[in-house]
Amino acid sequence: SSELTQPPSVSVSPGQTASITCSGDKLGDKYASWYQQKAGQSPVLVIYQDTKRPSGIPERFSGSNSGNTATLTISGTQALDEADYHCQAWDGSTGVFGGGTKLTVL
Amino acid sequence: EVHLVQSGAEVKKPGESLKISCKGSGYSFTTYRIAWVRQMPGKGLEWMGIIYPGDSDTRYSPSFQGQVTISADKSISTAFLQWSSLKASDTAMYYCARHHGDWYAFDYWGQGTLVTVSS
Repeated sequence: SSELTQPPSVSVSPGQTASITCSGDKLGDKYASWYQQKAGQSPVLVIYQDTKRPSGIPERFSGSNSGNTATLTISGTQALDEADYHCQAWDGSTGVFGGGTKLTVL
Repeated sequence: EVHLVQSGAEVKKPGESLKISCKGSGYSFTTYRIAWVRQMPGKGLEWMGIIYPGDSDTRYSPSFQGQVTISADKSISTAFLQWSSLKASDTAMYYCARHHGDWYAFDYWGQGTLVTVSS
């Protein structure tokens, strides 16, 4: 089965751009999704089909996916964006998540 | 409005059986797959398996095949995750999530069920 690799942690200053990567074999040939999980809460979908935002997700969240890497980008990062972020893709009919990245806004 | 409401926290002993639930409302339960996701303390999300309530077609992650059973009762719009013999290593938060087929993503999540297995 395929694996997705994320950096354990990323730090960013308020107002700056945060980038979180997700790497996997030929990931660019699959759809990647991203989920935000704040402490003690259930995950929330922030990006689907590589680049699309569900209703209610701020425009500062964007995504890309090419080659072996999908990237979640948060522009103008705010303190309330501090959370764990998880990427997810499909290996045939089986889903797989990355290990998660803790985003710290300091 | 779509809701997935999970059953409450459980405390069990090793070797005991358990069945937790996830009730969907606000949409046609039989036309969206429901997945189960494990999150061990302080760890990431793990995809366990998925069921299509319309015909109960079920797929498991190789890591969880044979370890758990996923089922659904469409008459009560509820999906289930069950264990026949719990281990301490099953201690985790378990989430159900609705799969949006056109999006290839999970658009709604339950509130989670905390399962603690301890002697």
